[in-house]
Amino acid sequence: EVQLVESGGGLVQPGGSLRLSCAASGFTFSIYFMHWVRQTPGKGLEWVSRINGDGSDTTYAEFVKGRFTISRDNAKNTLDLQMNSLKAGDTAVYYCVLLGTRPPAWGQGTLVTVSS
Amino acid sequence: DIEMTQSPLSLPVIPGESASISCRSSRSLLNSEGSNSLFWYLQKPGQSPQVLIYLGNRASGVPDRFSGSGSGSDFTLKISRVEAEDVGVYYCMQSLQTPITFGQGTRLEIK
Repeated sequence: EVQLVESGGGLVQPGGSLRLSCAASGFTFSIYFMHWVRQTPGKGLEWVSRINGDGSDTTYAEFVKGRFTISRDNAKNTLDLQMNSLKAGDTAVYYCVLLGTRPPAWGQGTLVTVSS
Repeated sequence: DIEMTQSPLSLPVIPGESASISCRSSRSLLNSEGSNSLFWYLQKPGQSPQVLIYLGNRASGVPDRFSGSGSGSDFTLKISRVEAEDVGVYYCMQSLQTPITFGQGTRLEIK
């Protein structure tokens, strides 16, 4: 059974940093693209970033470019999202998402709150 | 970016009746494999989105009361014989190209 378990969320001040992690199991992690999607109260579901299987190709939403970095460790079956220069608008539940399997899978999410 | 437009945004339904949600994309979602890169999700209160329909397939465990139809840029999710457990927000999502984009969500409530 595919499992995606996010961690690392919390309260951070504007301008601060946070690193999210997603532990994956139940599938061959290294061959699939992985995504981060967030859900904000005001804007609904927003795709944040994706990374290919070997980590050599990454893509970002315009609103996080230059601030967030996606990475993966295929030896540990983990996906990370390093978030820097956080803004109030980054407050959201962040989900680790796998779309390439049938069916696709989402984690339970981790809440990030950016506030002073 | 591919824009996804859902309607209606609010859907009150009497139990036992059917309901339909429309999702239109700003360009065709037909992929190189001949399927549509279109997903339907249901998010129940306090939960992460759960997949209902993906790439034209009903997900395992999803009741056959749920059906997806359409192709290209015009899609419909139909729920026949709505039950109380179907309450939540329904989203369509396209994965044809990045950025992956979502519809605004349709909130289904029981009358």
